[in-house]
Amino acid sequence: QVHLVQSGAEVKKPGASVKVSCKASGYSFSNYVIHWVRQAPGQRPEWMGWISAGSGYTQYSQNFQDRVTITRDTSASTAYMELRSLTSEDTAVYYCSRDYFPEKDRLSGYGDYFAHWGQETLVSVSS
Amino acid sequence: EIVLTQSPATLSLSPGERATLSCRASQSVSKYVAWYQQKPGQAPRLLIYDVSARATGIPARFSGSGSGTDFTLTISSLEPEDFAVYYCQQRYAWPLSFGGGTKVEV
Repeated sequence: QVHLVQSGAEVKKPGASVKVSCKASGYSFSNYVIHWVRQAPGQRPEWMGWISAGSGYTQYSQNFQDRVTITRDTSASTAYMELRSLTSEDTAVYYCSRDYFPEKDRLSGYGDYFAHWGQETLVSVSS
Repeated sequence: EIVLTQSPATLSLSPGERATLSCRASQSVSKYVAWYQQKPGQAPRLLIYDVSARATGIPARFSGSGSGTDFTLTISSLEPEDFAVYYCQQRYAWPLSFGGGTKVEV
């Protein structure tokens, strides 16, 4: 059974950085892409980027291009998302999500759907 | 960025009724649309991908249709557990994007 466990809630000051972790289990970590998605209160989900758990290759939304870094540690089956230069507009719940398709299926044009989700990490930014 | 617009914002129905939710894209997204269900305090749940394919474990009362810019999620007969917010999502182009949601309420 696929399981994604995220780190706990964070409270940050404007201008600070936050790093959220996502530990995966129940499947072969290196065979899938991990996405990061955030959702501000009452708003639609917003995709931030993904990482190939196998190669470490990343793809970021241009909406976060300069502020986000996604990494992974294959030995720990864990992905990380760091967001810098926080403002109050970054207050949201943050999710990691495993793709529905194995990464090898990207060669056939599949991928980029969010099948399994972590339990959410609330990041609050306030002075 | 591709913008997805969902309608209506709220759908008021009773259990057993049919629900029809719409999603319109600002440009063609071919067949690359998914639908998610979200309940309060929970992460979204993938229901449908590539317009009409049901994700693993999703009941047959959920179906999707459409192509190009206009897409529909249909719930043939609402069960009590189906009252939630539904989002569409496109994967045709990065950045991946979601619609604004339709709340299906009793």
